[in-house]
Amino acid sequence: GENVEQHPSTLSVQEGDSAVIKCTYSDSASNYFPWYKQELGKRPQLIIDIRSNVGEKKDQRIAVTLNKTAKHFSLHITETQPEDSAVYFCAAGESWEYGNKLVFGAGTILRVKS
Amino acid sequence: EPEVTQTPSHQVTQMGQEVILRCVPISNHLYFYWYRQILGQKVEFLVSFYNNEISEKSEIFDDQFSVERPDGSNFTLKIRSTKLEDSAMYFCASSSPPGGGTQETQYFGPGTRLLVL
Repeated sequence: GENVEQHPSTLSVQEGDSAVIKCTYSDSASNYFPWYKQELGKRPQLIIDIRSNVGEKKDQRIAVTLNKTAKHFSLHITETQPEDSAVYFCAAGESWEYGNKLVFGAGTILRVKS
Repeated sequence: EPEVTQTPSHQVTQMGQEVILRCVPISNHLYFYWYRQILGQKVEFLVSFYNNEISEKSEIFDDQFSVERPDGSNFTLKIRSTKLEDSAMYFCASSSPPGGGTQETQYFGPGTRLLVL
């Protein structure tokens, strides 16, 4: 089955700097890669996702890149702000007509220091 | 903006007891999921449900677990005889009908924190 590895486990950056979180996946059938932000005690919130027919996607300060050949994808946050501090999870899934099971990475604790 | 809701927010139970966790998915969604997250760990897939039947389940989802959509709005997870290791946060998620280009996007509920004593 699918296995998702995520690095680093913790990341501290200064406010205004960029943050990069990387994930690798094992199953070449995976075709959907979302990123979730989870604040303490709250639900995972989707922040951006990418499908396998796209190499890069950007939404304001957040971007995701996907390299299907190498089976890795990355989250880039620019101009970080203290409110970006949270746990970020990457996930991989294979969409089919009956649904889309997501396999999550272990998470990255991002701390943005002001 | 519509959201997935879950009740209760917290549940404390004795080992061996049955618990039912309830979810109300987003109203036009057709795909439903349960995940769990043990404290400090990653989110783990339990089961997906579509067209009134289980479409996929993980090894965690053994005979002690069951899911049901008893009416047009609720989606429930039942654990028949809880174990200490079932203590976790349980998240329900739903996603939209196919064809809209966003079938894969899963929206999570706020979770039910289950503590088995």
